[in-house]
Amino acid sequence: AQSVTQLGSHVSVSEGALVLLRCNYSSSVPPYLFWYVQYPNQGLQLLLKYTSAATLVKGINGFEAEFKKSETSFHLTKPSAHMSDAAEYFCAVSDRGSTLGRLYFGRGTQLTVWP
Amino acid sequence: KAGVTQTPRYLIKTRGQQVTLSCSPISGHRSVSWYQQTPGQGLQFLFEYFSETQRNKGNFPGRFSGRQFSNSRSEMNVSTLELGDSALYLCASSLGGTDLAKNIQYFGAGTRLSVL
Repeated sequence: AQSVTQLGSHVSVSEGALVLLRCNYSSSVPPYLFWYVQYPNQGLQLLLKYTSAATLVKGINGFEAEFKKSETSFHLTKPSAHMSDAAEYFCAVSDRGSTLGRLYFGRGTQLTVWP
Repeated sequence: KAGVTQTPRYLIKTRGQQVTLSCSPISGHRSVSWYQQTPGQGLQFLFEYFSETQRNKGNFPGRFSGRQFSNSRSEMNVSTLELGDSALYLCASSLGGTDLAKNIQYFGAGTRLSVL
């Protein structure tokens, strides 16, 4: 089974600072990777996805992520944080194998943005 | 196009009761997946339905069951509720085909279940 590790359950940055949220996956075969964001009392919103095309993936709200096979990582970045980015972020993996319809999620990273 | 709709948004039940949650997928989507989200366990996969058939199942007891109708709408049932079943239940819909590049899951707002 796949596993996803998100380093840092809480990350705090100042408004305008770089946002870096870390995600590592365990798989010998590169899976499909996703970042979702969850605002309070809401469901998950897709930020971006990697499906074996370009390794640098751009998403909504200025976020991007880079797939690095050698490091089994898919870290999420944003050059300049905004107050509205405060939310919980989840990295997820979809296996290329038989587990269609199933996403494996990391434990999430709560992002706080200070004014 | 309307998103994934989950009803109800909030539920309060007592131990031993049963509950049914509903999920209406995005139009044209044939797959519905269910997840349980708790502070302690995070997001855990319950099961996935595609064309009215359960295609994948997570590690939950048999008290958790689901079904999918011909219009792709799905219901999840939990019988004999326990305190530990208190959680946010999320459903996600996708096209459901074998091309994973197109099989992106879109989530509803969830149903928050409280078991007293």
